[in-house]
Amino acid sequence: LAKTTQPISMDSYEGQEVNITCSHNNIATNDYITWYQQFPSQGPRFIIQGYKTKVTNEVASLFIPADRKSSTLSLPRVSLSDTAVYYCLVGDMNTGFQKLVFGTGTRLLVSP
Amino acid sequence: ETGVTQTPRHLVMGMTNKKSLKCEQHLGHNAMYWYKQSAKKPLELMFVYNFKEQTENNSVPSRFSPECPNSSHLFLHLHTLQPEDSALYLCASSQDFSGTGELFFGEGSRLTVL
Repeated sequence: LAKTTQPISMDSYEGQEVNITCSHNNIATNDYITWYQQFPSQGPRFIIQGYKTKVTNEVASLFIPADRKSSTLSLPRVSLSDTAVYYCLVGDMNTGFQKLVFGTGTRLLVSP
Repeated sequence: ETGVTQTPRHLVMGMTNKKSLKCEQHLGHNAMYWYKQSAKKPLELMFVYNFKEQTENNSVPSRFSPECPNSSHLFLHLHTLQPEDSALYLCASSQDFSGTGELFFGEGSRLTVL
């Protein structure tokens, strides 16, 4: 299993761009990188997933360098409602979700 | 609304009670999961069902008993729990074990064991 390392917490202000980096040095060839967002007392919500280079959707962008040993979730112009915990997961989607491990995540606090 | 509904949202029970948590998904998925999230701890995968068959039991104590009568419903039967079992119990579903890798979570059932 590819172990992931994220900052425990980050602070930002409304309107700023936030970049959360996740390290996964032993990522395997078939592993994908997935990010989830969790608000207090709710279940996590899928944000974005990628394999290499850059992926963008209406919510965020995911940057993955060529060596794939890290990835960066980019949240453009955050608002107060983006205050949440963000999880980086790495795993082979074809071998079962039981092998995906949620770590402690990054707690993002957005202030006015 | 994620398409995964959990009831009850809050539950308080004594250590000798028997209760059940219910999860229903309206997404046509084939795999369903129970996770436990204790305060300040990562999510812990408890059970996995794929096409109604249990495929994973992560050394969960027998006082937790899952049941999956069909691909849309998942139960967690609780019996003789301990105060340390107090946590947020999350149900999730996915199309299967492959594909885009998206898990759909319910809002959870907050359990307090007195």
